[in-house]
Amino acid sequence: GESVGLHLPTLSVQEGDNSIINCAYSNSASDYFIWYKQESGKGPQFIIDIRSNMDKRQGQRVTVLLNKTVKHLSLQIAATQPGDSAVYFCAETLTGRRALTFGSGTRLQVQP
Amino acid sequence: DSGVTQTPKHLITATGQRVTLRCSPRSGDLSVYWYQQSLDQGLQFLIQYYNGEERAKGNILERFSAQQFPDLHSELNLSSLELGDSALYFCASSVEGVERTPGNTIYFGEGSWLTVV
Repeated sequence: GESVGLHLPTLSVQEGDNSIINCAYSNSASDYFIWYKQESGKGPQFIIDIRSNMDKRQGQRVTVLLNKTVKHLSLQIAATQPGDSAVYFCAETLTGRRALTFGSGTRLQVQP
Repeated sequence: DSGVTQTPKHLITATGQRVTLRCSPRSGDLSVYWYQQSLDQGLQFLIQYYNGEERAKGNILERFSAQQFPDLHSELNLSSLELGDSALYFCASSVEGVERTPGNTIYFGEGSWLTVV
């Protein structure tokens, strides 16, 4: 099943549009953040990461923005494709202190 | 394929029973993590091992235990199972603990589906 059928907020976008997925993290001391993608029946897959000394980082079709003031992280996906349909999780950690803590996730549905 | 192998993929067992989930990390990875993904809790960190030693503990119940062996594979033991333990259990690995070396990517396995009836 899809991510064990979690009751998640859902973002529905049209194919070709840009998607923005948001995440509020809990620990103001966290200094490293990662976005993961989880497709149906699979484990989370690393997408992109960012350290707290940056506020923006770009990958291939994806951009992560970090706003430490309000403890907010976002993932922007350009030209969203049907293959982007999945559940997206943000994760945070504090260097030297603790393992990754995951957010609750957002389901992205791409309409053809 | 992430290179992290988990067995079994699916498991159905009765309440009160005990099961063992197995994980083989990616070649060269010393750190192993266990996560539980259930309907209402999302991905919950259970425990982390590094080179055979426990490094960090999360929301792991006393009925659960884990270990990492000299060959670096890990096992998660779940005992006195309850209906609420039904979940997807993920193992992940990284070269070093990501909390020690940011940018050290964690790779997840495909998970073990546990159903307690």
